[in-house]
Amino acid sequence: EPEVTQTPSHQVTQMGQEVILRCVPISNHLYFYWYRQILGQKVEFLVSFYNNEISEKSEIFDDQFSVERPDGSNFTLKIRSTKLEDSAMYFCASCYQGDTGELFFGEGSRLTVL
Amino acid sequence: GDSVTQMEGPVTLSEEAFLTINCTYTATGYPSLFWYVQYPGEGLQLLLKATKADDKGSNKGFEATYRKETTSFHLEKGSVQVSDSAVYFCALSANQAGTALIFGKGTTLSVSS
Repeated sequence: EPEVTQTPSHQVTQMGQEVILRCVPISNHLYFYWYRQILGQKVEFLVSFYNNEISEKSEIFDDQFSVERPDGSNFTLKIRSTKLEDSAMYFCASCYQGDTGELFFGEGSRLTVL
Repeated sequence: GDSVTQMEGPVTLSEEAFLTINCTYTATGYPSLFWYVQYPGEGLQLLLKATKADDKGSNKGFEATYRKETTSFHLEKGSVQVSDSAVYFCALSANQAGTALIFGKGTTLSVSS
């Protein structure tokens, strides 16, 4: 069964460092998303991406964050200068039709900022 | 804006007990409603969904009915198992292309034998 894959599964970084989280969405999906979940808190939307551009972003997704789909398969989230409060589980998701809401999630990348 | 409110957890039950996890929503228009489940150490998985009023979503013995009059989508299961222990998230989608899912805070269910 097709699945969304994410790497790395866990990354530890120093505050101020750049981090890139990678995702390979399901191959025929058209809409891509990043969510995050701070430990013990709710799943929060960061950004959605369609047709090679951001279609929606939340207040969390400030200038320190960026996304791109460099090669038609990978979908990456970059955090330019990490802060302690960026420590969270980051989930990538994709779906075929953007208006159904049926997202397929990866297993997540745990980011720990020290 | 749109929002989802779930009952606070954790919910602790014995095996074979009846489960209800309450979920209410606020939305403009006619959203689709979802329950996602997150098992320990895993990502979120779609459990069930309903796309219009009075629809009932069901899967793995879980059910939820889309109630427009009470803006609710409560999750129920008649007899829980230890393997149902997980975090359950209610979510809505505004049904516009590319619009994000909005999640509730999640309810942790712990089932003991």
